[in-house]
Amino acid sequence: DTEVTQTPKHLVMGMTNKKSLKCEQHMGHRAMYWYKQKAKKPPELMFVYSYEKLSINESVPSRFSPECPNSSLLNLHLHALQPEDSALYLCASSHSGVGGDQPQHFGDGTRLSIL
Amino acid sequence: GNSVTQMEGPVTLSEEAFLTINCTYTATGYPSLFWYVQYPGEGLQLLLKATKADDKGSNKGFEATYRKETTSFHLEKGSVQVSDSAVYFCALIGYSTLTFGKGTMLLVSP
Repeated sequence: DTEVTQTPKHLVMGMTNKKSLKCEQHMGHRAMYWYKQKAKKPPELMFVYSYEKLSINESVPSRFSPECPNSSLLNLHLHALQPEDSALYLCASSHSGVGGDQPQHFGDGTRLSIL
Repeated sequence: GNSVTQMEGPVTLSEEAFLTINCTYTATGYPSLFWYVQYPGEGLQLLLKATKADDKGSNKGFEATYRKETTSFHLEKGSVQVSDSAVYFCALIGYSTLTFGKGTMLLVSP
């Protein structure tokens, strides 16, 4: 079983909907990440939170809005998404904050489909 | 910038065959190197890691050695099983950013 838990596992939404993806880890990790993965491709980094502060935003469109309420939780708020945003969204965490070289531990992802 | 190159797949093997998936990298300094595995419908799992030259990472019968002189981190397993069928990603880390290879699909038949 993965130690990074993501909910929901599947999400179908229309282009005008607002929804949120959730991620939780209880390993005491200080960095958390959002990735987007398209079929047959490696994950692409979207955001990095280090010690609950946004450290890296890889020029992600504003229709994706991350939030880190505390050191164990990470949310991704979705609004007015486009069909090309359909993908697997992966959350990850690592022990050290930004600048470290510790491995990242991934959740099983949320498979998002935009109608 | 950093980059990782993996052999193209799919790699198709019979059960108990020997596996090699090649991985080479370009990076400044000496980054930590990882192999991740992604089973169908799942997220990525850390398979093994190496943090410095000549380190050998190993797990579940898989192993890879950090070769600085050839900038390589090839994944090997002596006898694959059907349950090893998955996509394997080689990756390096720089300033908390993982750089992945394109992934190699492994298909093992009974």
